[in-house]
Amino acid sequence: GAGVSQSPSNKVTEKGKDVELRCDPISGHTALYWYRQSLGQGLEFLIYFQGNSAPDKSGLPSDRFSAERTGGSVSTLTIQRTQQEDSAVYLCASSSLTGGQDEQYFGPGTRLTVT
Amino acid sequence: KQEVTQIPAALSVPEGENLVLNCSFTDSAIYNLQWFRQDPGKGLTSLLLIQSSQREQTSGRLNASLDKSSGRSTLYIAASQPGDSATYLCAVLGTYKYIFGTGTRLKVLA
Repeated sequence: GAGVSQSPSNKVTEKGKDVELRCDPISGHTALYWYRQSLGQGLEFLIYFQGNSAPDKSGLPSDRFSAERTGGSVSTLTIQRTQQEDSAVYLCASSSLTGGQDEQYFGPGTRLTVT
Repeated sequence: KQEVTQIPAALSVPEGENLVLNCSFTDSAIYNLQWFRQDPGKGLTSLLLIQSSQREQTSGRLNASLDKSSGRSTLYIAASQPGDSATYLCAVLGTYKYIFGTGTRLKVLA
């Protein structure tokens, strides 16, 4: 079956512009996660969705970052007024069990470059 | 706060060698531990997943062990090949989120 998909695969944007990153989880997976991988920072957790609600947004680095999930499926991560330090690979993952105890399946990521 | 450390940070070996990558974590309250491979500019490829109740998992030339009480895992790669060159990440699953180590960058020389 289809895995987690993300779009776009690459995005180059000018500093100050807004960007939207999309994640399509595995069909039927109730939990969805966003992570970020930046140079020198490793891979870090951003936000977790259970259904359409986000019990934990603690990893979002600033109020310029927001995310939503609709219909318990697709999620969008929005970065407003992008800065150069936002350049990173943004990874999405999904899992099937509530409580997030199950294996997470990762998408290929979106590479964001802010010039 | 969970912290995950991987040693060594980088490793270069000749083809054919058996090698061990190490991962340690500070909080033993985990649901599982997963080893990933990441090629340059690519996403994560899952290699092995060890549930907290398990001691090891094997897949082909790879074997991963887990000692939860001591907060350690090792990834053993037998008969390494140039195609094994990549960054290897371990990650522990606590309450719903993975905490990743910083990785071991492996280069296998032909």
